[in-house]
Amino acid sequence: GENVEQHPSTLSVQEGDSAVIKCTYSDSASNYFPWYKQELGKGPQLIIDIRSNVGEKKDQRIAVTLNKTAKHFSLHITETQPEDSAVYFCAASKGSGAGSYQLTFGKGTKLSVIP
Amino acid sequence: NAGVTQTPKFRILKIGQSMTLQCTQDMNHNYMYWYRQDPGMGLKLIYYSVGAGITDKGEVPNGYNVSRSTTEDFPLRLELAAPSQTSVYFCASKDPRGATQETQYFGPGTRLLVL
Repeated sequence: GENVEQHPSTLSVQEGDSAVIKCTYSDSASNYFPWYKQELGKGPQLIIDIRSNVGEKKDQRIAVTLNKTAKHFSLHITETQPEDSAVYFCAASKGSGAGSYQLTFGKGTKLSVIP
Repeated sequence: NAGVTQTPKFRILKIGQSMTLQCTQDMNHNYMYWYRQDPGMGLKLIYYSVGAGITDKGEVPNGYNVSRSTTEDFPLRLELAAPSQTSVYFCASKDPRGATQETQYFGPGTRLLVL
């Protein structure tokens, strides 16, 4: 089955700096890669996702890049703010619609933004 | 919309006891999922359902049972609680159609402690 590795497990950055979290996946058939943000005591919330037919996607301060050849994808957060502090999870799945039953998650990265 | 709701928020069980974790969504989503999240680990899929009356096992189904009698509800049953089932449980749902067909929406979680 799919295996998703996520690094680093913890990351501390100064407010205003950039943060990068990296994930690798094992199944070349995977074609959907979401990123979830989990705040303390809450459920994960989707912040951005990318499909395998796209190399990069950006939404304001958040961007995701995908390298299908190397089977890795990354989350980039620019101009970090204290409210970005949370645990971030990457995930991978294959298929679409009826075929995309299962997300395989990485172990998470705890991001701390220091004011 | 309330989204995905879960009850209870927290529960302590004794070894061998049973309980049902409740999950309800008001978004008319056909697909629903149960995950467990252990400390420092990503989410692992326990069971999923693609519609009322249809359920299937995920990665870690042992010790759990589910049912799906309605579109809205997807309860998770623990029959003989074991310390290894101490975890945070998340329910999620998605609509496999349309522009957000890949997005899973998570509930706030149920923290379970088995002693």
